[in-house]
Amino acid sequence: DTAVSQTPKYLVTQMGNDKSIKCEQNLGHDTMYWYKQDSKKFLKIMFSYNNKELIINETVPNRFSPKSPDKAHLNLHINSLELGDSAVYFCASSQDRGPGGQETQYFGPGTRLLVL
Amino acid sequence: RKEVEQDPGPFNVPEGATVAFNCTYSNSASQSFFWYRQDCRKEPKLLMSVYSSGNEDGRFTAQLNRASQYISLLIRDSKLSDSATYLCVVKYFSGGYNKLIFGAGTRLAVHP
Repeated sequence: DTAVSQTPKYLVTQMGNDKSIKCEQNLGHDTMYWYKQDSKKFLKIMFSYNNKELIINETVPNRFSPKSPDKAHLNLHINSLELGDSAVYFCASSQDRGPGGQETQYFGPGTRLLVL
Repeated sequence: RKEVEQDPGPFNVPEGATVAFNCTYSNSASQSFFWYRQDCRKEPKLLMSVYSSGNEDGRFTAQLNRASQYISLLIRDSKLSDSATYLCVVKYFSGGYNKLIFGAGTRLAVHP
């Protein structure tokens, strides 16, 4: 069974469209994340939810809106897509172990978004 | 200055070689440290945590120098399968939550 799954794996769309990416984890973790990996391979945190509550919201355009219907799901909706949104988006989950904890983040396979 | 800095490489080494990667971090409040591995077009996966006293896992040895804010990864007897990008990751606790900062990665290519 896949621990962290994302759909779709590939997404090709036109500028200006609205799209969603879904993420599910079956590890029983309490924290989920969205990361963006750009063409320079730099992996950057976008959002983090702990028990369905938003705890990290980095400087991301408000066209990006995460939604966590329950602890096992964290979806990402993107409005008015722009060329610069083209990247690989990774979902991840972990069980928060507090300051100094050595928890592992488990990543989904990624969603490759190409905006034309 | 980036929060976590790594030499992007690539490091091209023959099989059997020993190779070392370095990483520096800027936040002195960082509390936990990791090395992740990312294969081409795949997701990152935890390689190993880095402990203050240094730790070893088979052919891999990780070291931490808190005073210099420096982390290293040593790979001995390199295998073709070690070819990947190695991400240095630093965790700190701020504002009531944990945050992981990823370096941009160091590419390793092991050739026959």
